[in-house]
Amino acid sequence: QVHLQESGPGLVKPSETLSLTCTISGGSISNYYWSWIRQPPGKGLEWIGYIYYSGSTNYNPSLKSRVTISVDTSKNQFSLKLTSVTAADTAVYYCARESGGGSYEEWGQGTLVTVSS
Amino acid sequence: EIVLTQSPGTLSLSPGERATLSCRASQSVGSSYLAWYQQKPGQAPRLLIYGASSRATGIPDRFSGSGSGTDFTLTISRLEPEDFAVYYCQQYGSSPYTFGQGAKLEIK
Repeated sequence: QVHLQESGPGLVKPSETLSLTCTISGGSISNYYWSWIRQPPGKGLEWIGYIYYSGSTNYNPSLKSRVTISVDTSKNQFSLKLTSVTAADTAVYYCARESGGGSYEEWGQGTLVTVSS
Repeated sequence: EIVLTQSPGTLSLSPGERATLSCRASQSVGSSYLAWYQQKPGQAPRLLIYGASSRATGIPDRFSGSGSGTDFTLTISRLEPEDFAVYYCQQYGSSPYTFGQGAKLEIK
């Protein structure tokens, strides 16, 4: 049973960079697409982007100028960097594994990141 | 991008009743790449349906999905107490992937 776990700072200052890592256990990072999805408190879900294990990426145009998703196959991890954050970036950030072509059957538990000085 | 609009925003029903949730897309969803998720407070979403009508692993058969093109439906045939939650549709037929705004299923 694959398990995904997000990690990273829970508090980030405005204008700084949000950095999160998703560690995969119980399975290999190979041959899958891996995504980041976020959910502001009390609101709906927003797809941030995905990375294939080989390194190819696809980002949401609304965030593309500020987002980088990278992969480290040796550590079975992938990461998110979001630059120049504002309060609007406060959200629970989930990592997830694509299945069935773009739906998500495996999710991390989510981590709340608050942007505040 | 494809905008997904879910209706109703809130549905109040009793256990044992039938629930019907709608998801309408602003343009056709390619290859019926439409999924449904259930989310309970403090939890990650749980995949229920993918490909518009295929149940995910371990999902009870009281959950069913239908539709194509721009109109999709999630039906819960007979509500159990644990089914009261928020439901989201998601399209993955074109980038960027998008989600509906969510529909809350509450106990009447």
